Amino acid sequence: GAGVSQSPRYKVAKRGQDVALRCDPISGHVSLFWYQQALGQGPEFLTYFQNEAQLDKSGLPSDRFFAERPEGSVSTLKIQRTQQEDSAVYLCASSARVIHRGVSSYNEQFFGPGTRLTVL
Amino acid sequence: GQQLNQSPQSMFIQEGEDVSMNCTSSSIFNTWLWYKQDPGEGPVLLIALYKAGELTSNGRLTAQFGITRKDSFLNISASIPSDVGIYFCAGQLRAGGTSYGKLTFGQGTILTVHP
Repeated sequence: GAGVSQSPRYKVAKRGQDVALRCDPISGHVSLFWYQQALGQGPEFLTYFQNEAQLDKSGLPSDRFFAERPEGSVSTLKIQRTQQEDSAVYLCASSARVIHRGVSSYNEQFFGPGTRLTVL
Repeated sequence: GQQLNQSPQSMFIQEGEDVSMNCTSSSIFNTWLWYKQDPGEGPVLLIALYKAGELTSNGRLTAQFGITRKDSFLNISASIPSDVGIYFCAGQLRAGGTSYGKLTFGQGTILTVHP
């Protein structure tokens, strides 16, 4: 389909391993968000891209978390030296950003199915 | 990180009953949204509210944007088994600034519908 896709859907890592999570947004969507959803909680913002520019990374919990979107489409969230507290579902969302009369407005964010990361 | 205060945490109801859940925030948002998340899937948008005091319906769903811009509620009428899932409220700051449209979510309401 033409929705947001994420891979892998499930990832089990040993503590200390590096992981890379991939997001394929809807084609043509300018905005891309990463969210972290701990068990039993709502998603929490991690970082935001507008095309290839990472404009907000205020939600990244530590410098072990790194995200990139080099060509303004596919994005990768990398977690280095994983810890048990990193276990969560990582959601990617994309949206088409609209500017009307010089004012930004935000269209609906479409979410992918998420990657469930378990760190042992 | 900040999360909105959503209640109740869970609800167990009979098919056909009405459901109400609400969300409050200590800060103002100028857009409120309600999402539903099924197991193994990402959240799906149900209703979006853009104006304080706005009351919006989508089929059996009705949501309102509080006058203070710090709260919202969602009602589901005549519940059916496929309403089962987790419902999240989310606040968003629109139009400029540095929010870029990021969403701040509540903790979720788990809805179980008994046939």
